[in-house]
Amino acid sequence: GAVVSQHPSWVICKSGTSVKIECRSLDFQATTMFWYRQFPKQSLMLMATSNEGSKATYEQGVEKDKFLINHASLTLSTLTVTSAHPEDSSFYICSAGGLHNQPQHFGDGTRLSIL
Amino acid sequence: GESVGLHLPTLSVQEGDNSIINCAYSNSASDYFIWYKQESGKGPQFIIDIRSNMDKRQGQRVTVLLNKTVKHLSLQIAATQPGDSAVYFCAENSSGGTSYGKLTFGQGTILTVHP
Repeated sequence: GAVVSQHPSWVICKSGTSVKIECRSLDFQATTMFWYRQFPKQSLMLMATSNEGSKATYEQGVEKDKFLINHASLTLSTLTVTSAHPEDSSFYICSAGGLHNQPQHFGDGTRLSIL
Repeated sequence: GESVGLHLPTLSVQEGDNSIINCAYSNSASDYFIWYKQESGKGPQFIIDIRSNMDKRQGQRVTVLLNKTVKHLSLQIAATQPGDSAVYFCAENSSGGTSYGKLTFGQGTILTVHP
């Protein structure tokens, strides 16, 4: 089945630093990937849709200058949390696929902790 | 806005029993629905999906029922096992019937299976 790899799985860093998270589709090409955020005991909230070769589409309330998305190839999308602060601490999950009424396949998430 | 919600946030069952997890959705334009299983610290794992032109679909030990009249979705797990313990999310294609792939997730149900 479709495999999505996410790296790193866990990041701890100081407030003010920027953190990059990678999302790769390992056995298929993905023109569209999705980035979600999940707080403890809550559901997944879509942050943005990453489009290969073009700008990402952000959901309402998500700061595009805070969460930079790059989708430079058909198998890789990156999310950079710029100048991270403790309130950015969360579980970030990416997915790929989902077009034409097919299921999205998810990575195993990145636990981000900002001190 | 549109949302997908769950009636029961927690469900405890004995090993071997059948489990039923419910989900209510509000977007009448949704035409594709998915159930995901999320184990602690991992990303959602695809279980089963159903399109709006169907009212029932079966997989291995799982069945999804769709009632479009009352906008209700359910997941039935037969002979529940301890390994089924996880959080279960329903998700709907909230792209207004397009093939875009954007999903809206329900709040989640915590399933606990006791040996």
